[in-house]
Amino acid sequence: EPEVTQTPSHQVTQMGQEVILRCVPISNHLYFYWYRQILGQKVEFLVSFYNNEISEKSEIFDDQFSVERPDGSNFTLKIRSTKLEDSAMYFCASIPDWTSLGTQYFGPGTRLLVL
Amino acid sequence: AQSVAQPEDQVNVAEGNPLTVKCTYSVSGNPYLFWYVQYPNRGLQFLLKYITGDNLVKGSYGFEAEFNKSQTSFHLKKPSALVSDSALYFCAVRDMTGANNLFFGTGTRLTVIP
Repeated sequence: EPEVTQTPSHQVTQMGQEVILRCVPISNHLYFYWYRQILGQKVEFLVSFYNNEISEKSEIFDDQFSVERPDGSNFTLKIRSTKLEDSAMYFCASIPDWTSLGTQYFGPGTRLLVL
Repeated sequence: AQSVAQPEDQVNVAEGNPLTVKCTYSVSGNPYLFWYVQYPNRGLQFLLKYITGDNLVKGSYGFEAEFNKSQTSFHLKKPSALVSDSALYFCAVRDMTGANNLFFGTGTRLTVIP
């Protein structure tokens, strides 16, 4: 069964450094998402992406964040200058089309630790 | 604004006993509700969803959930728990105003004791 994959599984970085989290959505999917979960808290929506542009973003997704689909397979989340509070598990998700009615397919996550 | 709440951080149940993981929701209009499960080192896996129709929804691995509009609940149930059901369970509701994203609860860790 096709799966969403994410790399790396864990990343440790220094505060102020840039990080890029990578995702490979399921190949025929058209809508892509990033979520994050700070330890012990809710899974929170960050951003959705369709047709090579952001379709929706939350208040969390400020100017420090950006997303990109640099080629036909990868979907990346960049944090420009990491802060301690960016430490979280980051999940990528995708859906095949708008009619899937919210059944999102998630990757295993990247655990980011900012020191 | 849409939201879901999972009142229990941890649920323990003996193998073979029925299990319930609770979820309540707050939405304006008709909710689209979901349950996801997360096993260690794996992504969130879709279990089941309620969109419309029968209040009792059946999903993967023998799980089911009952939509109760009067109590604004969507509790996850299974008649007989397995040790392999031990995992983290998330309730979610779809954002009806946005790009199909989900609002999640904080998760409930289910431990099935042999």
